[in-house]
Amino acid sequence: QQQVKQSPQSLIVQKGGISIINCAYENTAFDYFPWYQQFPGKGPALLIAIRPDVSEKKEGRFTISFNKSAKQFSLHIMDSQPGDSATYFCAASRNGNQFYFGTGTSLTVIP
Amino acid sequence: KAGVTQTPRYLIKTRGQQVTLSCSPISGHRSVSWYQQTPGQGLQFLFEYFSETQRNKGNFPGRFSGRQFSNSRSEMNVSTLELGDSALYLCASSQDPGFGYTFGSGTRLTVV
Repeated sequence: QQQVKQSPQSLIVQKGGISIINCAYENTAFDYFPWYQQFPGKGPALLIAIRPDVSEKKEGRFTISFNKSAKQFSLHIMDSQPGDSATYFCAASRNGNQFYFGTGTSLTVIP
Repeated sequence: KAGVTQTPRYLIKTRGQQVTLSCSPISGHRSVSWYQQTPGQGLQFLFEYFSETQRNKGNFPGRFSGRQFSNSRSEMNVSTLELGDSALYLCASSQDPGFGYTFGSGTRLTVV
């Protein structure tokens, strides 16, 4: 079964707007939650990651919000730019073992 | 610092053949993982190697195998190729298993 569920499948945002991508997980033993960004023809690149002892982590325009009780985490991209147009994947792992990835969100930022 | 290098970038193989893909991790990274990416299934874990030992294996048939050499370079092999094996195969390396993955650009395998 899908260990990590990601939504929406696609997202269109105006330049300067906020992009929000959500993920939910099943396994409460997961202890590491990264987000990856992938451009066409490239492999995914680590964007930002969080551990469950923290409710929020911010790096520049990117913020992860983590809700342990709801088993949900989300990526917020503030002041979205056309260069942010890419596919975003959430993931989860336990003790650094195999990662379970969400199905991806295709983000398009309109100028 | 060189990134993760995967060769070849593109491959076209015939059903029933076998294929070997290569991955050179970032210098100093001892953990190498392989993933299969398809539009329908997304990113799925194949296996992970650390210090030449397979540490974890995903839910793929035995036709998929891999190995890691003493210099941390890794290869994966797929035997008796099927049409459904067409995918982007991604290699990722890290200093510590599972954390801070750096992915390569992948090998695009097409089985005809």
